[in-house]
Amino acid sequence: GEDVEQSLFLSVREGDSSVINCTYTDSSSTYLYWYKQEPGAGLQLLTYIFSNMDMKQDQRLTVLLNKKDKHLSLRIADTQTGDSAIYFCAERGTGRRALTFGSGTRLQVQP
Amino acid sequence: EPEVTQTPSHQVTQMGQEVILRCVPISNHLYFYWYRQILGQKVEFLVSFYNNEISEKSEIFDDQFSVERPDGSNFTLKIRSTKLEDSAMYFCASRDRVNSYEQYFGPGTRLTVT
Repeated sequence: GEDVEQSLFLSVREGDSSVINCTYTDSSSTYLYWYKQEPGAGLQLLTYIFSNMDMKQDQRLTVLLNKKDKHLSLRIADTQTGDSAIYFCAERGTGRRALTFGSGTRLQVQP
Repeated sequence: EPEVTQTPSHQVTQMGQEVILRCVPISNHLYFYWYRQILGQKVEFLVSFYNNEISEKSEIFDDQFSVERPDGSNFTLKIRSTKLEDSAMYFCASRDRVNSYEQYFGPGTRLTVT
């Protein structure tokens, strides 16, 4: 079945860029997402990319998609302490309604 | 900004009891979902619901689970006879027809089965 993998932890200093990586196995993935989860809160949709795109930029967020390698990344520019959270990668395949999630990457931003 | 809401935020129940988790999706949304996250594990899809019927379900969603949209605003998940392994955070999500790629999640209900 489909699988999505992420590294578990990333620590950066405030002001640096953060890059969170994700790999997936479903070659029919049509939409790929990044969600953010702060402590005690739900999953907040940050951004998404269609599989026919290579890159999407949205303010401080840049999503890169390498469809050949099935690799997705989220770059956060000028990382702030408020960006500390768990970031989930998710994909949705053709004809499916469900999202398949990765385990989440905990981003820790040090002042 | 409209959001998905869920009640209660935390539910404690004894094994074998029935629980109903409640969700109020965003008002103009037509597609509804339940996901769960067992502590330390991935968020897993349970079921999707559209036009008053289940449109997709996972292997986890067995006969112990059911969903209902009892009125125009609520969307519920019922677990008939809870097991210890049902302890998890349960997330409701919804999306509309126009922005069909955007699923919005609620804050979750933490279910603890003792």
